[in-house]
Amino acid sequence: DAMVIQNPRYQVTQFGKPVTLSCSQTLNHNVMYWYQQKSSQAPKLLFHYYDKDFNNEADTPDNFQSRRPNTSFCFLDIRSPGLGDAAMYLCATSGKTGGVNEKLFFGSGTQLSVL
Amino acid sequence: AQKITQTQPGMFVQEKEAVTLDCTYDTSDPSYGLFWYKQPSSGEMIFLIYQGSYDQQNATEGRYSLNFQKARKSANLVISASQLGDSAMYFCAMREESGYSTLTFGKGTMLLVSP
Repeated sequence: DAMVIQNPRYQVTQFGKPVTLSCSQTLNHNVMYWYQQKSSQAPKLLFHYYDKDFNNEADTPDNFQSRRPNTSFCFLDIRSPGLGDAAMYLCATSGKTGGVNEKLFFGSGTQLSVL
Repeated sequence: AQKITQTQPGMFVQEKEAVTLDCTYDTSDPSYGLFWYKQPSSGEMIFLIYQGSYDQQNATEGRYSLNFQKARKSANLVISASQLGDSAMYFCAMREESGYSTLTFGKGTMLLVSP
């Protein structure tokens, strides 16, 4: 089945140690998103790619970076994780129309712990 | 101001009963889309139902229906014949025409279905 796959499901890192989260998709969607979701909160958009065009949200910390080497893969890099970065990270995709009816397809998320 | 407001942090319902989850929204765009997603404890966000601002009829998808009241800016989710597997977090979300590719979520409602 076509889907959005996130690896790993759980990631533990040390304070200040760089970490990379991965997302792949078989939907051939143009747009890929990274959301951060802290406990009992709404998912918060960090950034998204429209094809190779990177769009950063204004309040996304510089500590967060992203790469999209091809249509299928997208990575979230946290350069120096702090305790406040512990959260669920959700990857999502959508088609290219950009219409208001374009729904997002989500992966299962990566739960990041920072020790 | 919050774009999506979900005022119920938690709701309880008995199996086979119907339940309504509230959602109000704020936008000045004439064209927008409203979505409901379900997030079980596993973490994946599952799309449930969509309502467009110009849709004349309330959306329905199986046991899910959306009570769309445009003048009141509300888009409540109605789940009929609740099942134990419906226990999850439910998020209301909106995509505005002016906010291409951005889906904004409410804080969610935790639904617990009891036998």
